[in-house]
Amino acid sequence: KAGVTQTPRYLIKTRGQQVTLSCSPISGHRSVSWYQQTPGQGLQFLFEYFSETQRNKGNFPGRFSGRQFSNSRSEMNVSTLELGDSALYLCASSPGTGLDQPQHFGDGTRLSIL
Amino acid sequence: GENVEQHPSTLSVQEGDSAVIKCTYSDSASNYFPWYKQELGKGPQLIIDIRSNVGEKKDQRIAVTLNKTAKHFSLHITETQPEDSAVYFCAAPFTGTASKLTFGTGTRLQVTL
Repeated sequence: KAGVTQTPRYLIKTRGQQVTLSCSPISGHRSVSWYQQTPGQGLQFLFEYFSETQRNKGNFPGRFSGRQFSNSRSEMNVSTLELGDSALYLCASSPGTGLDQPQHFGDGTRLSIL
Repeated sequence: GENVEQHPSTLSVQEGDSAVIKCTYSDSASNYFPWYKQELGKGPQLIIDIRSNVGEKKDQRIAVTLNKTAKHFSLHITETQPEDSAVYFCAAPFTGTASKLTFGTGTRLQVTL
């Protein structure tokens, strides 16, 4: 069974631009969550999508948004990029949305803002 | 608020020795505790998890113990090997909040020959 696939693996952008990251979950998984990982803040939850609906949202500004498609694939978008948005963005999928559902991560997209 | 404390932040052991990483959590309603291993350039890999209806779970050289009364859980790695070198994260869900999982700050494990 293929794992969680994230594209692209690396991105370089400049301040003020916007970016879209993509995530394909494990086949059959319907929940997709996004996390931001930085050396200073660690792993922080961004949001979760299930059945094309945002179920939960972490403490991030409105510049961070996402969506989920009918095939459970998900995208996240960051607008008006800031230097502090440089991070590894991780996507995780799980079969359902319960708090005890195992989450499996992709290898992430490394976003660098110049 | 929701908090997961993880110790130690770094751990160096000799090959063949055991390694123990400990985490405490704040929400007594949490009922699922996964452990992740993250190697350089990779995403976190789920290596073992435990639910609150059991006190211990073992999978070959790794085991996790849970003490719900004290609100702490631990990862035990026996007979460590160089390929165990990585950053390990504990996590817990917090009911009534937006966060799917709250992670500990990570433990960098170095297994030396």
